[in-house]
Amino acid sequence: AQSVTQLGSHVSVSEGALVLLRCNYSSSVPPYLFWYVQYPNQGLQLLLKYTSAATLVKGINGFEAEFKKSETSFHLTKPSAHMSDAAEYFCAVETGGFKTIFGAGTRLFVKA
Amino acid sequence: DGGITQSPKYLFRKEGQNVTLSCEQNLNHDAMYWYRQDPGQGLRLIYYSQIVNDFQKGDIAEGYSVSREKKESFPLTVTSAQKNPTAFYLCASSIEAGSYEQYFGPGTRLTVT
Repeated sequence: AQSVTQLGSHVSVSEGALVLLRCNYSSSVPPYLFWYVQYPNQGLQLLLKYTSAATLVKGINGFEAEFKKSETSFHLTKPSAHMSDAAEYFCAVETGGFKTIFGAGTRLFVKA
Repeated sequence: DGGITQSPKYLFRKEGQNVTLSCEQNLNHDAMYWYRQDPGQGLRLIYYSQIVNDFQKGDIAEGYSVSREKKESFPLTVTSAQKNPTAFYLCASSIEAGSYEQYFGPGTRLTVT
């Protein structure tokens, strides 16, 4: 069965520092992978998605993620954190079963 | 503007009462979903609908019911059988069920006392 693991429920970075949020997935078939962001008391918004066209995927707000099949990973990065990036981030996988599996989420804190 | 609306934003009910959460979309999407979000547990799928007049149970359907009589509407009823109904509920839609991104509503926070 497919699953998603997000390493670290909380990540804290300084403003201007690299953001790295980790996601590993388990799937027996080529997956579709997503990163979503959620601001407090709001719904989720799509940051980016991987659909096998390219292993490096660029998303909104300067985020990008790299699909590494050998490591079954899809980590999210941003070169320089802004205060406005503070939110909760969810990795998700869909493998053709009409259901998307979401990770438990990683809350990103950005320090001034 | 196209999007998904959920109402109300906050909802308070007494234990033992059924309550219905509204979800409407004007994106012309076929698929709609209901998720429950609890701290530290991510999103858990309650029900999903691939097309009007059809829906399937998700991972935690017990104590919930839905209907899909219209393409744009997918209301969720939290029944008195749901043992722990206090949570944040999110509705979403996608063009079709499957490998498409989901568009989320702003959520309804339900508190049952």
